[in-house]
Amino acid sequence: GENVEQHPSTLSVQEGDSAVIKCTYSDSASNYFPWYKQELGKRPQLIIDIRSNVGEKKDQRIAVTLNKTAKHFSLHITETQPEDSAVYFCAAPLGGNYGGSQGNLIFGKGTKLSVKP
Amino acid sequence: GAVVSQHPSRVICKSGTSVKIECRSLDFQATTMFWYRQFPKQSLMLMATSNEGSKATYEQGVEKDKFLINHASLTLSTLTVTSAHPEDSSFYICSATDLDRSNTEAFFGQGTRLTVV
Repeated sequence: GENVEQHPSTLSVQEGDSAVIKCTYSDSASNYFPWYKQELGKRPQLIIDIRSNVGEKKDQRIAVTLNKTAKHFSLHITETQPEDSAVYFCAAPLGGNYGGSQGNLIFGKGTKLSVKP
Repeated sequence: GAVVSQHPSRVICKSGTSVKIECRSLDFQATTMFWYRQFPKQSLMLMATSNEGSKATYEQGVEKDKFLINHASLTLSTLTVTSAHPEDSSFYICSATDLDRSNTEAFFGQGTRLTVV
């Protein structure tokens, strides 16, 4: 099955700086990699995702890069703001191939991001 | 986006009693739903996959007789924690995927905070 490792566990940055969170996965068949943001006591919210047929995806201040050969993907947040402070989780499909009924995700351990004003 | 509703959001129960948690997909049908457990400051751990009209699939280490899952319709899955004990206190959260959408984003319920006293 899939194994997802996430680093770092905590990350503190100054407002305006960039933040990078990295994840590795074990199943070379995995084809979908979402990133979730979770605020305390709330449900995880998808912030960006990438499929294995692309190497990079960007959405305003957030970007995700994927290296299939090395089996790792990273979340990049630029121009960080205090409201970016939360726990971020990466995930990969449990069964490798993601789609519909196979939507069970294995999550990394999370990164607590603190953005200091 | 698609809406997944979970009820109750908080529950306190006495040790030895059972608690039922509902997960509903409000605007789409979900043949499969997923149940996660999250302990404080930890990641989401997949407990089981709930399959409409058939038995749930449990992850290793999760007791199927303790965590009863019923997926009787395409919009409702229930998780019953039987004979709850203090160590079952946790944040339980479900997710579902809308098969009709082109992007198979997993949508999460708002979670249930269970406290067993």
